[in-house]
Amino acid sequence: GENVEQHPSTLSVQEGDSAVIKCTYSDSASNYFPWYKQELGKRPQLIIDIRSNVGEKKDQRIAVTLNKTAKHFSLHITETQPEDSAVYFCAASKPGGGNKLTFGTGTQLKVEL
Amino acid sequence: KAGVTQTPRYLIKTRGQQVTLSCSPISGHRSVSWYQQTPGQGLQFLFEYFSETQRNKGNFPGRFSGRQFSNSRSEMNVSTLELGDSALYLCASGIGTSGAYNEQFFGPGTRLTVL
Repeated sequence: GENVEQHPSTLSVQEGDSAVIKCTYSDSASNYFPWYKQELGKRPQLIIDIRSNVGEKKDQRIAVTLNKTAKHFSLHITETQPEDSAVYFCAASKPGGGNKLTFGTGTQLKVEL
Repeated sequence: KAGVTQTPRYLIKTRGQQVTLSCSPISGHRSVSWYQQTPGQGLQFLFEYFSETQRNKGNFPGRFSGRQFSNSRSEMNVSTLELGDSALYLCASGIGTSGAYNEQFFGPGTRLTVL
């Protein structure tokens, strides 16, 4: 079945710096790649997603890039702020898989003042 | 629109008991997926229901089951609870249309503790 690897598991940056989280998927049929942010004690929240027919997508300080050939996608956060501190999960799904999402193991991002 | 709701929010059970969790999706959403979240295993897919039918199933034992009602509300049941079933159980709501890219939105989860 699909496997999604996520790196790094922890990431510490200074406020204002950029943060990059990388994920690799195994099933070349995967075509939808969402990113979720989960603050402590709260539900995962969808922050951005990308479809396989797009190479990059931006939403203010957040961007996601997709390399289908290499089967990896990345989350980029610019001008990090303390409120960006959370666990970030990448996920993948494929056609015919219904709404099944296969998640990466998560990245604990800490933005230090 | 109201978000995804789950009840109860917290549960404490003992080994061998059974438990039923409930999820009400966003109005108009027909797909409900269930996930188990633990520190060691992360987010793992349990199953998905769409239009009252199980459309997908993860690699969990038969003690884990679910159903969906005509109003799209879903329940999951865990029988013969084990200590390892302690986890946060999350449901996710989506439009569910086959072939579409389906954004999914999570509920707040039910924290199950098995003693």
